[in-house]
Amino acid sequence: EAQVTQNPRYLITVTGKKLTVTCSQNMNHEYMSWYRQDPGLGLRQIYYSMNVEVTDKGDVPEGYKVSRKEKRNFPLILESPSPNQTSLYFCASRDSGQGATDTQYFGPGTRLTVL
Amino acid sequence: ILNVEQSPQSLHVQEGDSTNFTCSFPSSNFYALHWYRWETAKSPEALFVMTLNGDEKKKGRISATLNTKEGYSYLYIKGSQPEDSATYLCAFHDYKLTFGKGTLLTVNP
Repeated sequence: EAQVTQNPRYLITVTGKKLTVTCSQNMNHEYMSWYRQDPGLGLRQIYYSMNVEVTDKGDVPEGYKVSRKEKRNFPLILESPSPNQTSLYFCASRDSGQGATDTQYFGPGTRLTVL
Repeated sequence: ILNVEQSPQSLHVQEGDSTNFTCSFPSSNFYALHWYRWETAKSPEALFVMTLNGDEKKKGRISATLNTKEGYSYLYIKGSQPEDSATYLCAFHDYKLTFGKGTLLTVNP
């Protein structure tokens, strides 16, 4: 089954404790991205990756890091989480970075709470 | 920062009613307009991708139209059912996808 998976689905952590949210897709997609969803603000892009070893900042990259060592995986790293990073996070993928008409597939979401 | 506006913010209808909502976007540098359906506790799922002015897409009781010259798209739901309750997101694609904040539809039985 074609899918995007994320882990963990729920996480409660404390300020400053490094964490990683994993994302994996099995569709051989070139393009992957991370979004955060906050009430009243809509989905905002954090980082994206056009292909392996190619990553770039989205609209709200501060406090986050990503890596793309393999095509299928795109982990989101919070080196020193802060309470303002409490949010619902979605990983997404689509066939190519140039494909404006490509369908984007979303993972199930990770609800992160930083105390 | 691009402005992709959706209205209304939320909507309550009765089962069987037909309804529609709007997505407004910049009329320049248009590549595509995406509609997604997002049920609570799930992830957004693609409904339509629209590219041409005057485009009309249909999927069962849901349809969408596109006007790129004036920068808007309408999503229509005919004979709403409780299972249509969800947030409907549009996303404008110039060189990247920018999402609207969504319209939350609640269909009461």
